[in-house]
Amino acid sequence: QQQVKQSPQSLIVQKGGISIINCAYENTAFDYFPWYQQFPGKGPALLIAIRPDVSEKKEGRFTISFNKSAKQFSLHIMDSQPGDSATYFCAASEPGTYKYIFGTGTRLKVLA
Amino acid sequence: NAGVMQNPRHLVRRRGQEARLRCSPMKGHSHVYWYRQLPEEGLKFMVYLQKENIIDESGMPKERFSAEFPKEGPSILRIQQVVRGDSAAYFCASSQTGYNTEAFFGQGTRLTVV
Repeated sequence: QQQVKQSPQSLIVQKGGISIINCAYENTAFDYFPWYQQFPGKGPALLIAIRPDVSEKKEGRFTISFNKSAKQFSLHIMDSQPGDSATYFCAASEPGTYKYIFGTGTRLKVLA
Repeated sequence: NAGVMQNPRHLVRRRGQEARLRCSPMKGHSHVYWYRQLPEEGLKFMVYLQKENIIDESGMPKERFSAEFPKEGPSILRIQQVVRGDSAAYFCASSQTGYNTEAFFGQGTRLTVV
C-alpha cells in the first residue's frame, strides 16, 4: 500500500518530442506528489509538485497530470531537450507526515 | 543562500570501520531527513530529525546505524562496523516545516565499503 510504481524504467525521446513518465499509487491518503530530477552524481532537485485538489499543474515545459480516481499521476516534458537527460523520480506523502515514498525512477535520454 | 551541504562527497571505508556523514541544512531549516539510494533504485527514507530530537527512525536499520542533529552543528549519520551492503549514496534533505512540505536535497555522500 505504501508503494509508488513508476514506469517506464527508461525512456529515449528525440529532441523536441514529448516525454511522458507515469506513476501509480494505492494509498488514497497520499496528498502531496512531487517530481524530482536527478543528474548523475547529484542530489535530487524538486521539479514540480501537485496536490490532489487540482488535475493539472504546468510550469514551463513541465506538466503534472493527476487522475485521482485512477490513482495515477504523470509528468509530461514538452519540447524535450538533451539537457533534460536525467533520472526522474515521482514521490508521494501523506498529510501530517514527512516521509516521501519514492518511485524507482525513470532514466530519460533525449537524443540531439 | 547556500543549499543543503553534505560532506564528504565520497567516502571509502574498509569493512568494520566507521563512517560519519555530515549534513548542514539550508539556512532557516530545522527539519532534516536522511535517505539512502542503492544503485539503480529509488530513495528510501531512513530517519527524520529536528534539532536535538529524533522524530522518526523507522527506516533506519536497528543495528550499527545512528543519527543525531545537535543544537549546534550539522546533522550526523553514523554507520558503525560498515559492511559491503552499506555501499550506497546517502542523501540528506531539509525543510522549513516538518509536514508534507517541500524538501530540498543535498548532493549526497557516496559511501563505498571495500
